[in-house]
This record gives sequence, structure tokens and C-alpha cells, in this order.
Amino acid sequence: DTGVSQNPRHKITKRGQNVTFRCDPISEHNRLYWYRQTLGQGPEFLTYFQNEAQLEKSRLLSDRFSAERPKGSFSTLEIQRTEQGDSAMYLCASSLSPEYEQYFGPGTRLTVT
Amino acid sequence: AQTVTQSQPEMSVQEAETVTLSCTYDTSESDYYLFWYKQPPSRQMILVIRQEAYKQQNATENRFSVNFQKAAKSFSLKISDSQLGDAAMYFCAYRSENFGNEKLTFGTGTRLTIIP
Repeated sequence: DTGVSQNPRHKITKRGQNVTFRCDPISEHNRLYWYRQTLGQGPEFLTYFQNEAQLEKSRLLSDRFSAERPKGSFSTLEIQRTEQGDSAMYLCASSLSPEYEQYFGPGTRLTVT
Repeated sequence: AQTVTQSQPEMSVQEAETVTLSCTYDTSESDYYLFWYKQPPSRQMILVIRQEAYKQQNATENRFSVNFQKAAKSFSLKISDSQLGDAAMYFCAYRSENFGNEKLTFGTGTRLTIIP
């Protein structure tokens, strides 16, 4: 069990550029969650998957954001036309089922300049 | 919508002493889970303790225990015999037990400092 991994750990991009983050959950976990955490705040839910199906999306997930989990394993989160307000830590978590704990990855810190 | 409030942005405690972190929440649901997560500096978030709302008995995990008051919608965390490794941000979180509603709703966190 290697835990949840996220890549890259840090990303600096210029406003208007597109960025993509990857999350690899714990291997047997069918649930995968994305959260966003800004400085001084708790994580905020963005979206989650059961296997490859995206079951819920937050209103925070604007049209510029898209998430996929094509084979029910790893997931990607893409932000198009980044804005300075997108600067945050993007956290991924996975769980075996709803009743079980969500295990968090180390996060990807995005800085938009 | 559910909300979670942590009214103590920062707390400090002497090593080996006991500290209590406060959390209140608002919900109209009767079945839910409550959690305390720990986020050490530059490290990933880990679960400290969880409480099912239907259980009257307060959860305990070694030096960590909770005081769950369902009617008051209060869920405080007590850390006994504080250790230097307990220094971290602590987040209180809520999750519905309703099928399909799996997201965690977090408070704004309490930064805990341990004084040697």
C-alpha cells in the first residue's frame, strides 16, 4: 500500500495557460475525491468518482475545470485558462467505499502568476 | 447545506498537558459522520478520529478523544499528554450518511502549537 500519490507536487503557471494534475489512488479504492484548499481555509469539495463515473460536481467546479477517471484508476484534473484565483492546493483522496475513511494525497500546489 | 465552524484559529499547549479543540456544525440531517483530521506542516492530511452520529459513546483513539454533543451540534477534540509531533493544523469535518452524498465538509482549522 503506497498511499495516494499526486503529481506534480508544485506547478507554477502563467495566467491563461492550461494545467493538468494527476492523482493515483490506493489501488483497490473505487472512490476518488478532489478538493481545493486555499491559504487559511479548510479543503473544499470539488468532485468525486465511483470507478470511472463522476457522481457529483461542486458549484466551485466552473466550466474551466474538468476531471476524468477514464479506467477507474488514476484521475486527472484539468484547469483551462487559469486565473490568479485558481492558486491553491489541490488535494486528492480515495476510499474503499463511502463507509470508510478518505485517505488524502500530499496535494499539488498551483501558483498562477 | 451543512456548515462546520472552528472558532479557535490558533491554540497552544505545553508538552505533556491536555488541550481541547472546539468544533460546532449545523445540519438538518440525523445520520452523519464527524471527523477530526490532522495536517502537519507540508505533509498530507491524516484521520485522527471519527464519530458516527448514531453512537452515543464518545470515540477514543489512544491520547485522542472526542466530546460529541448531538443536541448541541458540538464535537470537540481532546488531546491528552500532548507531544511535539501533535503540532499541526486540525480540521473538523462532516459527512452525510445519505447515499450519494459522500463529500467531506471542513471547518477552517485550528493551528495547534506544542510548547516544549
